[in-house]
Amino acid sequence: GENVEQHPSTLSVQEGDSAVIKCTYSDSASNYFPWYKQELGKRPQLIIDIRSNVGEKKDQRIAVTLNKTAKHFSLHITETQPEDSAVYFCAASLMGNQFYFGTGTSLTVIP
Amino acid sequence: EAQVTQNPRYLITVTGKKLTVTCSQNMNHEYMSWYRQDPGLGLRQIYYSMNVEVTDKGDVPEGYKVSRKEKRNFPLILESPSPNQTSLYFCASSLGGTSGRGETQYFGPGTRLLVL
Repeated sequence: GENVEQHPSTLSVQEGDSAVIKCTYSDSASNYFPWYKQELGKRPQLIIDIRSNVGEKKDQRIAVTLNKTAKHFSLHITETQPEDSAVYFCAASLMGNQFYFGTGTSLTVIP
Repeated sequence: EAQVTQNPRYLITVTGKKLTVTCSQNMNHEYMSWYRQDPGLGLRQIYYSMNVEVTDKGDVPEGYKVSRKEKRNFPLILESPSPNQTSLYFCASSLGGTSGRGETQYFGPGTRLLVL
């Protein structure tokens, strides 16, 4: 089956700096790549996603890039704020049925 | 209010005592799924359902059963729970399909299970 690896496992940045989280996947058939944010004690919530026919997608301070050839995708958060502190999960899916998640990145934004 | 609900939210049980965690959604979603979340392992998919009476195994189905008799409900059944099933469980639903926002999953609040 699919294998998704996520790095780093923890990340600390100063408020206002950028944060980048990277994921790799193994199954070239995967075609949907969502990113979820999970605050402490809360449920995961989708923050951005990308499909395999697109190389980059941006939503305000958040962007995701996908390199299908290298089988990796990344989450970029610019102008980080303390409320961005959370655990972020990447995932890979084929047709939105089976989902394989990374192990998570704990992001801390230092005021 | 559009939502996914789970019950119970917290459960302590003993090895071997059958239990059911319910999941319900009011968004008329076709797709529903169960995940377990363990420290350092992220979320792992247990079972998913693409529609009524259609279910399939995820990555870690051993020790679990599901059923999808109605569109809105997708219960998770542990016939004989064991301590290694102690975990945080999330149900999720989505419209289904691959067009537009079909794959966007909405998660329930989670059920924290402790098996002694």
